Amino acid sequence: RKEVEQDPGPFNVPEGATVAFNCTYSNSASQSFFWYRQDCRKEPKLLMSVYSSGNEDGRFTAQLNRASQYISLLIRDSKLSDSATYLCVVKGYKLSFGAGTTVTVRA
Amino acid sequence: EAGVAQSPRYKIIEKRQSVAFWCNPISGHATLYWYQQILGQGPKLLIQFQNNGVVDDSQLPKDRFSAERLKGVDSTLKIQPAKLEDSAVYLCASSLDREGETQYFGPGTRLLVL
Repeated sequence: RKEVEQDPGPFNVPEGATVAFNCTYSNSASQSFFWYRQDCRKEPKLLMSVYSSGNEDGRFTAQLNRASQYISLLIRDSKLSDSATYLCVVKGYKLSFGAGTTVTVRA
Repeated sequence: EAGVAQSPRYKIIEKRQSVAFWCNPISGHATLYWYQQILGQGPKLLIQFQNNGVVDDSQLPKDRFSAERLKGVDSTLKIQPAKLEDSAVYLCASSLDREGETQYFGPGTRLLVL
């Protein structure tokens, strides 16, 4: 079983829509969780950390469910510029990256 | 603030040849990482340095890959000899501390092995 698993998508949504996707992790001892964003042919960049109580950053909301071992990312009011691959990152004794979920926002 | 620098940006070699990549992390960042990202996959950690010491190289194929960070600043990653399956983007990242909760990535080196 992979350490971090993501639905690869693609999620194809119109501008203004809400899109949400999950990531599951296998190590119950994992301590920290993050979402990174990777644009096509670019390097990953930190989007946000995921806190136990859930957290919001503008149009982005991240949640953690330790019991079921998944984290989620919700994007409200999608913009064309949100089109990217979203990498789920889980930290146990090291950082493990998921393969990413691709989101395409269309006009 | 200057970001993580990597060179070359692109490299095409034939199998069994050698290749080296260079990375200069953000000034003051003690921790440096090398990742391999194969098309369609997430980055896979190859090696983590804390200053000039190795913290984790458990996923580095040591029969062909080597890395060093002699002065605790810039780093080189070498592949010798290269195989077809080494075709990937090699990403360097740095962070202020060993916990590495915020990593800053360089633009990567795209390697194609023919």
